[in-house]
Amino acid sequence: QVQLQQSGAELVRPGASVTLSCKASGYTFTDYEMHWVKQTPVHGLEWIGGIDPETGDTAYYQKFKGKVTLTADKSSSTAYMERRSLTSEDSAVYYCSRRNYDEGYFDVWGAGTTVTVSS
Amino acid sequence: DIVLTQSPASLAVSLGQRATISCKASQSVDYVGDSYINWYQQRPGQPPKLLIYAASNLDSGIPARFSGSGSGTDFTLNIHPVEEEDAATYYCQQSDEDPWTFGGGTKLEIK
Repeated sequence: QVQLQQSGAELVRPGASVTLSCKASGYTFTDYEMHWVKQTPVHGLEWIGGIDPETGDTAYYQKFKGKVTLTADKSSSTAYMERRSLTSEDSAVYYCSRRNYDEGYFDVWGAGTTVTVSS
Repeated sequence: DIVLTQSPASLAVSLGQRATISCKASQSVDYVGDSYINWYQQRPGQPPKLLIYAASNLDSGIPARFSGSGSGTDFTLNIHPVEEEDAATYYCQQSDEDPWTFGGGTKLEIK
């Protein structure tokens, strides 16, 4: 069945970077955009950005531009999100999610990766 | 950015009764006859799960006790009759205009 398998929890120091992964299975990876969503108790669910795995084209929420890089590896059906210059505000659960192009809804979600930024 | 305001923030509904959740957009999310509002359910410790897309279309496998309605800026999610397993937080999300935004969530408790 369609699944998105995310990498494990991360504990990172302030100022460091972290790369999260999201491996897709059960569908053709290049047929759907892959997006990333941040969840915190304070800000709720926030869209970070998305990537078209076929073309590599990306779109980012202005708030996260310059702090996030999205990539995708077609050979392994895996999407990646690199977050840089982390602060405590970046502690959150990060989800990858497949986006339906026509209606724009997120129909499949990974289990989430918890990132904790702490010294 | 399109702001989505959900109400109430929380509600408690008796088993078998109706739960109604509102989502108001800061501008119209209609385009060429479709309303680009989607609804998700999130249980504790789990990712969001798509319930309804384009305001009123049930995703595959979602029980018919869930329904969505509305257009323009005002949308509603109804659950009737409510069951124990419906205890969760519900979010609306707009897919009309980048950046894609979510409502603040409504926590449903079953009495």
